[in-house]
Amino acid sequence: NAGVTQTPKFRILKIGQSMTLQCTQDMNHNYMYWYRQDPGMGLKLIYYSVGAGITDKGEVPNGYNVSRSTTEDFPLRLELAAPSQTSVYFCASILAQGHEQYFGPGTRLTVT
Amino acid sequence: QKEVEQNSGPLSVPEGAIASLNCTYSDRVSQSFFWYRQYSGKSPELIMSIYSNGDKEDGRFTAQLNKASQYVSLLIRDSQPSDSATYLCAVLLIAGDYKLSFGAGTTVTVRA
Repeated sequence: NAGVTQTPKFRILKIGQSMTLQCTQDMNHNYMYWYRQDPGMGLKLIYYSVGAGITDKGEVPNGYNVSRSTTEDFPLRLELAAPSQTSVYFCASILAQGHEQYFGPGTRLTVT
Repeated sequence: QKEVEQNSGPLSVPEGAIASLNCTYSDRVSQSFFWYRQYSGKSPELIMSIYSNGDKEDGRFTAQLNKASQYVSLLIRDSQPSDSATYLCAVLLIAGDYKLSFGAGTTVTVRA
C-alpha cells in the first residue's frame, strides 16, 4: 500500500490564482481530512469527509472547497489564492473513529 | 481556553535523560488520546495512543492519562538525538465525532 499520497509537493502561486491539491489513499478508509500547518503551530482542520459524497467544514474552511466523489480521492481547491494561505497542507485518513490517522507527506504552498 | 494545550517549549534535555511532555484538554468526555512525532519538514507520525486511565508503555515511550484531571503526558526515557522533533498531542474531544483536535506542539531537542 502507498498509504496517503499528495501532489504536488511544492507550489508557488500568485495572488488570485487557483489550484487543486490532490490527495489519494489506497487503504479503503472512509474518513479523510485536510489540515493546514503554519510555522510553529499545530494542525488546523480545514475540511473533512466521512464518506464518498459527504463533506463538512472544519475550523478554518474559508477560501477552500472540497469534493469527495470516490472513497480514494479527496481534493482541496483554492479558488482565489491569498498570502494568508501560505502554509503546509496535510491530508489524512482513518479507518474508523478513534483509530490512528495516517498522514500524507504534505504540500508546501507559497502565495506571493 | 484552547481545547488542547501543551507545555510550551522548546524543551532541551541531555542525551540519556527523561523528556516529559504535558497536554491538557477541555472536554471531560474525551475518549481517545494520541501522541504524534513530527520531524522538521515531515508529516506527523503516530507514536502512542491511549484510551483508558493509567500508564501505557511502548519501548522508551510511556503515555499517562488522567481523565479526572483532563491531563495526558508523554515520557521519553533514555532520550536519544533521534528523538529531537516536535511532539503533537491530539484528542478526540467529542465522543462519536470524527475530528481530532491538536495542540500546538512541543519541540524537543536532545543534546548529545
